[in-house]
Amino acid sequence: QKEVEQDPGPLSVPEGAIVSLNCTYSNSAFQYFMWYRQYSRKGPELLMYTYSSGNKEDGRFTAQVDKSSKYISLFIRDSQPSDSATYLCAMGGGPGNTGKLIFGQGTTLQVKP
Amino acid sequence: NAGVTQTPKFQVLKTGQSMTLQCAQDMNHNSMYWYRQDPGMGLRLIYYSASEGTTDKGEVPNGYNVSRLNKREFSLRLESAAPSQTSVYFCASSEAFGQGGYGYTFGSGTRLTVV
Repeated sequence: QKEVEQDPGPLSVPEGAIVSLNCTYSNSAFQYFMWYRQYSRKGPELLMYTYSSGNKEDGRFTAQVDKSSKYISLFIRDSQPSDSATYLCAMGGGPGNTGKLIFGQGTTLQVKP
Repeated sequence: NAGVTQTPKFQVLKTGQSMTLQCAQDMNHNSMYWYRQDPGMGLRLIYYSASEGTTDKGEVPNGYNVSRLNKREFSLRLESAAPSQTSVYFCASSEAFGQGGYGYTFGSGTRLTVV
């Protein structure tokens, strides 16, 4: 079993839809939870960061962490064609806290006009 | 512009050839990382350097070596390339968030094909 599991999709939605992206994990020591966005043939870029449990909102994006269920989510409201990309969850922290992040496989999202 | 610079962007190697992937960051970050990205596998850590002068193995280190030349530069070497090393390679550096978390800044990647 992988330490972080993410449905690779692809996920295709119409413009304006609400998108839900999810990851599950097995290591209860993780404390830092991130979402990265990666456009085709580009490097990933940090989109959202959450420490421990709870919600964080930034414009059309909301990140949720449920440590009791070992489950994190990214919601995109009013999705736009420019949101078409691969979204990777990442997490780390815990004893030692060497700064290493474990990434999910990435979910490819297409938003159709 | 500040960031992480990787060279080369593309490379084709023959099996058995060697090469070095270069990475430099100008954000004064202490930690640097090399990942490979393959379809369906996500990003997998090859080696990392928590600070200048230290390097450690990640999840998939076999067939690779690294050098942390100074605080800015972290290179990845393939001594004898194999087709299984065909991949996209990303270098990243990190700063600490509040409460001890780390966020990565990635380079634009090196697309390597081994034939």
